[in-house]
Amino acid sequence: QVQLVESGGGVVQPGRSLRLSCAASGFTFSSYGMHWVRQAPGKGLEWVAVIWYDGSDKYYADSVKGRFTISRDNSKNTLYLQMNSLRAEDTAVYYCARDGVVGVTAPFDSWGQGTLVTVSS
Amino acid sequence: SYELTQPPSVSVSPGQTARITCSGDALPKKYAYWFQQKSGQAPVLVIYEDSKRPSGIPERFSGSSSGTMATLTISGAQVEDEAAYYCCSTDSSVSLRWVFGGGTKLTVL
Repeated sequence: QVQLVESGGGVVQPGRSLRLSCAASGFTFSSYGMHWVRQAPGKGLEWVAVIWYDGSDKYYADSVKGRFTISRDNSKNTLYLQMNSLRAEDTAVYYCARDGVVGVTAPFDSWGQGTLVTVSS
Repeated sequence: SYELTQPPSVSVSPGQTARITCSGDALPKKYAYWFQQKSGQAPVLVIYEDSKRPSGIPERFSGSSSGTMATLTISGAQVEDEAAYYCCSTDSSVSLRWVFGGGTKLTVL
């Protein structure tokens, strides 16, 4: 079965950096695009970024563009989110989710359990 | 920036039909997706491409879209359907960026 496991969250000071990881298993990781979605405490879902199956294209929400970088290592079945210049408003649970393949699977059909990032001095 | 608008809350009694709406200017051209999120859990996809239901999702969940509004319908809502529901779609101008609605808290009591 599809499994996505995020890690790397924690408490970090404003202005510092953090890298999140999402380990994938149970499917052919290199065939699927991947998303990061976040949720601030008590708030709604916010889409963060997407990367194509081969890493050739990436898109970001305006709120993180220029500060966050999505990447992947298909040899390790792992998705990453490099977060720089962190702000208090980046405090959230960060989820990775699988994109869809036309005619096979729907976007966001599988999600990890999330990892909490707290930006605080 | 593109926005999807949902009502903050909807309340129904068990067995009644719950309807949750999502409005967005690009919905006539873009698919809507719906997610259920129970407290402390990751979201779950319940409807994709406006009206398709993933395997394992009960038949009481259905979706439709007309003009600038998409609707999630739960026919015969159960107490276990109480959750937050989010719509989602792609950005009207940059089709590979995604947007979530603000979420609707469904109360079934």
